[in-house]
Amino acid sequence: QVQLQESGPGLVKPSETLSLTCSVSGDSITNYYWSWIRQPPGKGLEWLGYVKYTGSTSYNPSFESRVTMSADTSKNQFSLKVSSVTAADTAVYYCARWSYDNKAYYLAFWGQGALVTVSS
Amino acid sequence: QTVVTQESSFSVSPGGTVTFTCGLSSGSVSSGHFPSWYQQTPGQPPRTIIYSTNIRSSGVPGRFSGSILGDKAALTITGAQADDDSDYYCLLYMGNGLYIFGGGTRLTVL
Repeated sequence: QVQLQESGPGLVKPSETLSLTCSVSGDSITNYYWSWIRQPPGKGLEWLGYVKYTGSTSYNPSFESRVTMSADTSKNQFSLKVSSVTAADTAVYYCARWSYDNKAYYLAFWGQGALVTVSS
Repeated sequence: QTVVTQESSFSVSPGGTVTFTCGLSSGSVSSGHFPSWYQQTPGQPPRTIIYSTNIRSSGVPGRFSGSILGDKAALTITGAQADDDSDYYCLLYMGNGLYIFGGGTRLTVL
């Protein structure tokens, strides 16, 4: 069974860059697309984008200027960077794996989430 | 900018039936948006309930069903149970590799 685990600093200062890594076990990142989703405290889910192991990406236009996703096949990991963070970027960040069935993609597996707080 | 709309909250009695919808601020939802639905309880990551409009994810009880109703995607729970008390989110494919979540619906079973 595939497992995903987010890791990274839980506290980031305003204007700095938030960096998270998702470690994947039980599967190879070369097999699927991988996403980052975040959830501000008490609010809904926001899709940030996806990355393929080739480096191909698609980003939510609302975050495109600040978000970078990448994949490292040698470590079976993929990563998220969000630049110029503000308090509004405080959220639980989830990594997730897409699956494909019946001509559709869906988010089949999720990590447990990592809370990142932006504060000085 | 397109917004995916969901009802903010619903209440249902145990054994009752409830239908949530997932719409667009501009236009209609169709099967071509490949609607998927996710259930989330507090402190837990979401889990897939429905994908590709009406396909139940592995292990999801048969009381959950998905459909297109008019110009919206819909998730119906027939015979609600106490552990269905959760938040429900829809996710739509908007083309060009872009996806948008709805704002979520809070379901209370009481």
